[in-house]
Amino acid sequence: DGGITQSPKYLFRKEGQNVTLSCEQNLNHDAMYWYRQDPGQGLRLIYYSQIVNDFQKGDIAEGYSVSREKKESFPLTVTSAQKNPTAFYLCASSIGGGRNTEAFFGQGTRLTVV
Amino acid sequence: GQQLNQSPQSMFIQEGEDVSMNCTSSSIFNTWLWYKQDPGEGPVLLIALYKAGELTSNGRLTAQFGITRKDSFLNISASIPSDVGIYFCAGREKTSYDKVIFGPGTSLSVIP
Repeated sequence: DGGITQSPKYLFRKEGQNVTLSCEQNLNHDAMYWYRQDPGQGLRLIYYSQIVNDFQKGDIAEGYSVSREKKESFPLTVTSAQKNPTAFYLCASSIGGGRNTEAFFGQGTRLTVV
Repeated sequence: GQQLNQSPQSMFIQEGEDVSMNCTSSSIFNTWLWYKQDPGEGPVLLIALYKAGELTSNGRLTAQFGITRKDSFLNISASIPSDVGIYFCAGREKTSYDKVIFGPGTSLSVIP
């Protein structure tokens, strides 16, 4: 089945450690996105990528890094510079390429930093 | 960055009642999307709108793309308990095709 897969579902890390969240899609979508969601809050854009080897900062990029070496993959690294990393992280993709289309989401990764 | 305003913030309704929520932006949008999120899950797309004035239905759900291109609304008719969740509007600004931004969400509770 086509879709977006985020792994793992739950992730625990010690404070000060970098951690990488995985996002893979087999929808042949050009555009991919990472959002952060805090309890009772909406979705805030961290980074987005319109095409392979290109990505743009969203509204809250500080303390995060991404790469887009393959069309199917858009991993997010939460670095030790992120002051409050505990949150629910959502990855999404859309056809992109300047076309107005809907974004589809993965199931999310809940990161807890202790 | 661009912010979307979504209202109401939360709703408590009786089963069987109709629901209406809306979303506004300060800039023109080319796309409006409505999502529902269940606890601990990713948002699921309900309706996508691409043209000003467009009215689209998906079962008991109906959404419209405002004529001014700065707003959209979602209606749910004859609510049922499984409608409970958070409803998000999202969209693309005219000047940014590939950047999808989200509203803060409307939390819906349905009382059986």
